[in-house]
Amino acid sequence: GAVVSQHPSRVICKSGTSVKIECRSLDFQATTMFWYRQFPKQSLMLMATSNEGSKATYEQGVEKDKFLINHASLTLSTLTVTSAHPEDSSFYICSAWDSLNEKLFFGSGTQLSVL
Amino acid sequence: QKEVEQDPGPLSVPEGAIVSLNCTYSNSAFQYFMWYRQYSRKGPELLMYTYSSGNKEDGRFTAQVDKSSKYISLFIRDSQPSDSATYLCAMTKSGGSNYKLTFGKGTLLTVNP
Repeated sequence: GAVVSQHPSRVICKSGTSVKIECRSLDFQATTMFWYRQFPKQSLMLMATSNEGSKATYEQGVEKDKFLINHASLTLSTLTVTSAHPEDSSFYICSAWDSLNEKLFFGSGTQLSVL
Repeated sequence: QKEVEQDPGPLSVPEGAIVSLNCTYSNSAFQYFMWYRQYSRKGPELLMYTYSSGNKEDGRFTAQVDKSSKYISLFIRDSQPSDSATYLCAMTKSGGSNYKLTFGKGTLLTVNP
């Protein structure tokens, strides 16, 4: 079964609203989680690295005020897309690092569509 | 030049064929190499994980790394329709908690029954 749970799997929202996506590690504690976005027929692009109890590290070109990341516990990281616009429509995927087994597990992704 | 190059395909093969997927990279600092399988609108699933040069086999899958040529490959034997997916190569400079992967673009594979 899935070891990383990501919700919701699909969300449609109006332009200007905020959307929160949750990423949970089910079988292990994850001090580090990652958020990616993927456009159709494109590869995964890392947006930010989320560290439990500290501020996220954003990749160059990613607006930290637009994509708010919170990693308040060892099993949960959230990505909030604030004031979403149609250009934010994309497939968002999280991953969580299992340091005990030294493996990286991915969530099932969230398809965001902003009208 | 992109750090990781991967032919996006699409690649179409008959059932039972041997499939060869590959990636090239430019950064010699990459040490860990992975292959992920991604079904449409799903998160990637780890298939193979190798460190440095060499071969690794797991069932019908074989991963090869040639660091001198900066070239990695994934072979799928006796391919099945259920293998139809996008295959992504990924690599990183270090393991541990700094597990920031650099992905290839992915190769779309279709195995025809």
